[in-house]
Amino acid sequence: AQSVTQPDIHITVSEGASLELRCNYSYGATPYLFWYVQSPGQGLQLLLKYFSGDTLVQGIKGFEAEFKRSQSSFNLRKPSVHWSDAAEYFCAVARNQGGKLIFGQGTELSVKP
Amino acid sequence: DVKVTQSSRYLVKRTGEKVFLECVQDMDHENMFWYRQDPGLGLRLIYFSYDVKMKEKGDIPEGYSVSREKKERFSLILESASTNQTSMYLCASSLTGKSNTGELFFGEGSRLTVL
Repeated sequence: AQSVTQPDIHITVSEGASLELRCNYSYGATPYLFWYVQSPGQGLQLLLKYFSGDTLVQGIKGFEAEFKRSQSSFNLRKPSVHWSDAAEYFCAVARNQGGKLIFGQGTELSVKP
Repeated sequence: DVKVTQSSRYLVKRTGEKVFLECVQDMDHENMFWYRQDPGLGLRLIYFSYDVKMKEKGDIPEGYSVSREKKERFSLILESASTNQTSMYLCASSLTGKSNTGELFFGEGSRLTVL
């Protein structure tokens, strides 16, 4: 069965510092991978997605993620964090383009001034 | 822009009550989903629907049912609410077929408290 693991429940970084949020998935074939962000009191918004091709994908708000098949990982990165990035981040996987999404547990990001 | 609207942001109900959570989307999406969000557990799929009057169970359907009489509307029903159903409920929609980019569009959520 598919599964997604986000090992870090809560991360705190200083404003301007770099960020990496970890995501590991379990699936036999190449999955469809997503990162969503949830700001306080709001629904989830898509940051970026990977279906095929270039393993480094760019998303909105300056985020990027790299698909590493050998490590079954799809880590989210940002070179310089802004205070407005404080939110909860969810990694998700689907078996195909139209498939239902399986979400990880989420990582809450706090940003120190 | 796609808009997914959940009719109630906050609800407080008593154990045993019947609860209806309503969700409406305005972009003619075929697929609609109900997720439950709990701290440390992420989002878990309760039910989904690929078309009007069609529904499929997700990972945690027990204690819930759904209704999709019109394409734009997907309702989640708790026949007899229990305290362990206190949670945030998120509705989402997406396109299907070749138009589907895989992206889910989410509502803002309905926070249900069962006393």
